[in-house]
Amino acid sequence: GAGVSQSPRYKVAKRGQDVALRCDPISGHVSLFWYQQALGQGPEFLTYFQNEAQLDKSGLPSDRFFAERPEGSVSTLKIQRTQQEDSAVYLCASSSRALSYEQYFGPGTRLTVT
Amino acid sequence: ELKVEQNPLFLSMQEGKNYTIYCNYSTTSDRLYWYRQDPGKSLESLFVLLSNGAVKQEGRLMASLDTKARLSTLHITAAVHDLSATYFCAVDPSGTYKYIFGTGTRLKVLA
Repeated sequence: GAGVSQSPRYKVAKRGQDVALRCDPISGHVSLFWYQQALGQGPEFLTYFQNEAQLDKSGLPSDRFFAERPEGSVSTLKIQRTQQEDSAVYLCASSSRALSYEQYFGPGTRLTVT
Repeated sequence: ELKVEQNPLFLSMQEGKNYTIYCNYSTTSDRLYWYRQDPGKSLESLFVLLSNGAVKQEGRLMASLDTKARLSTLHITAAVHDLSATYFCAVDPSGTYKYIFGTGTRLKVLA
């Protein structure tokens, strides 16, 4: 169990509901990333944390999206008032800057908004 | 706008054949990554290319990077069915680990 884990793996939300997606990075990894992957597309960057600091949130599509990592380990991506266009797989990745800059991805959360 | 383009987008090939997937990007980047994704699964790291001229090989896959041409290739030798997956390249031009992914190449190896 040393990899990146995410929960839930699947989430169905009715339009307008709020959702929270969790990411547990690899222990000791200081960098954490969230990506959004639409069906048939490559992942797109959402936001980046170094420890507890959110250094880049330029990819968040709207102010309905919010991410936090309060203690520098577990991160939560929250989407408020979900819309159908939010349906996608949300991937979390972590990396250790001490190594090869490689990002290790979790299994993703598939969000379906109905 | 930074673009990362892969071609082909879809590739169907017979077992035992060789083929190359191309990844072109529109800005300078000294780092390039290749990932594999199986349907419904997450991304599995294949190669990390950190400098111009880097070449790495693992089994039937070999990746190379030409930063001057802004081009990376993923060469498949004697394909087998187990290689069927979608392959993504990603660049990190700003050095902040903000990966920009390519469009993906969906590979199907026919037995």
